[in-house]
Amino acid sequence: AQTVTQSQPEMSVQEAETVTLSCTYDTSESDYYLFWYKQPPSRQMILVIRQEAYKQQNATENRFSVNFQKAAKSFSLKISDSQLGDAAMYFCAYRTRSGNTPLVFGKGTRLSVIA
Amino acid sequence: DVKVTQSSRYLVKRTGEKVFLECVQDMDHENMFWYRQDPGLGLRLIYFSYDVKMKEKGDIPEGYSVSREKKERFSLILESASTNQTSMYLCASSFHGTGAYGYTFGSGTRLTVV
Repeated sequence: AQTVTQSQPEMSVQEAETVTLSCTYDTSESDYYLFWYKQPPSRQMILVIRQEAYKQQNATENRFSVNFQKAAKSFSLKISDSQLGDAAMYFCAYRTRSGNTPLVFGKGTRLSVIA
Repeated sequence: DVKVTQSSRYLVKRTGEKVFLECVQDMDHENMFWYRQDPGLGLRLIYFSYDVKMKEKGDIPEGYSVSREKKERFSLILESASTNQTSMYLCASSFHGTGAYGYTFGSGTRLTVV
């Protein structure tokens, strides 16, 4: 069975600085998708970024980028120029390419942003 | 604006009550999911459904059941609520047949059982 591990329960970053959240996963599949979701205090889960495993190029969405290392099964999220609104729980998630199995989530990392 | 709507944001119920949590999506998604979220435990899958009248157990189905009579609606039922079911419950939906788009989530129901 696939598993997703987020080893940092909590992290903090100064406003305008850069922070990296770690995620590792375990799978025997060769083709799959990886996601980072953000859950702010409002509780609404928001998709931050998505990576397709067969694409070597790391995904980027504005200030958010990933470092995808397929051989190492690592999928870290980098937030540049951190803003107060980035404070949230961040969940890493894995899904098979077919989508016929549920997303597998990590336990989350709580990010605090210090003004 | 596409949506997954959970009927209650906060709910307080007594031990032993039968509790219904409702989730409705307007995106014509085939798949629907119920998770519970607890601090330090992340999101744990309770039940999911790939089609009307179909259901599959997730990782923690004990004490719960579900109903999916229409494509857009997926209900989570606590047959006899207990205090250890106090939690945040998240509903989500997605298209079937591709994992590309992840989920669309509802905004959660925080259930307290007293």
